Amino acid sequence: GDSVTQMEGPVTLSEEAFLTINCTYTATGYPSLFWYVQYPGEGLQLLLKATKADDKGSNKGFEATYRKETTSFHLEKGSVQVSDSAVYFCALSDYKLSFGAGTTVTVRA
Amino acid sequence: GAGVSQTPSNKVTEKGKYVELRCDPISGHTALYWYRQSLGQGPEFLIYFQGTGAADDSGLPNDRFFAVRPEGSVSTLKIQRTERGDSAVYLCASSLNQGSDTQYFGPGTRLTVL
Repeated sequence: GDSVTQMEGPVTLSEEAFLTINCTYTATGYPSLFWYVQYPGEGLQLLLKATKADDKGSNKGFEATYRKETTSFHLEKGSVQVSDSAVYFCALSDYKLSFGAGTTVTVRA
Repeated sequence: GAGVSQTPSNKVTEKGKYVELRCDPISGHTALYWYRQSLGQGPEFLIYFQGTGAADDSGLPNDRFFAVRPEGSVSTLKIQRTERGDSAVYLCASSLNQGSDTQYFGPGTRLTVL
């Protein structure tokens, strides 16, 4: 079945550092790909998405590109802030979402 | 506008009891999903409704779990004879239609079975 594998955490960074969270997927069709974020004490929120190969999703300074050839959807941000501390989930969807295990990111001032 | 709401936010019950968890989707969203998130893991799919019917219930772990959506809006997830292993956060999401439409999540119900 469809599945997602994402980089294990936790990840600890200093403010203004570069962040990458790796995500690869296995799917029989051509799913849409998502990054969801869960801030402390809050619910899951959509961060960005891409619906077809070579699409780039972006939001709040985060970016991810749908790479069919490498079956990847890596999340990047050039300069993180303390407020980016959260758990990040990569997911794919045909209609139901299949999530990775989540990566906890802590940004220190 | 109003997002997805779930009640109760927390539920503590004893092993063997029956519980009901409620989800109010975003108005006009025809697709509704239930997921379960255990500590330190990503959410796992339970069941998907398109309108009033359960289009995919393949994620329900066993026959103690059942969900309904009788009028195509509010949904209730029902768990009979609860077990300690059922303890988790139960998440509801809705989307305008099925397929690749973005799913919007509620805050979840934290179920603790003692």
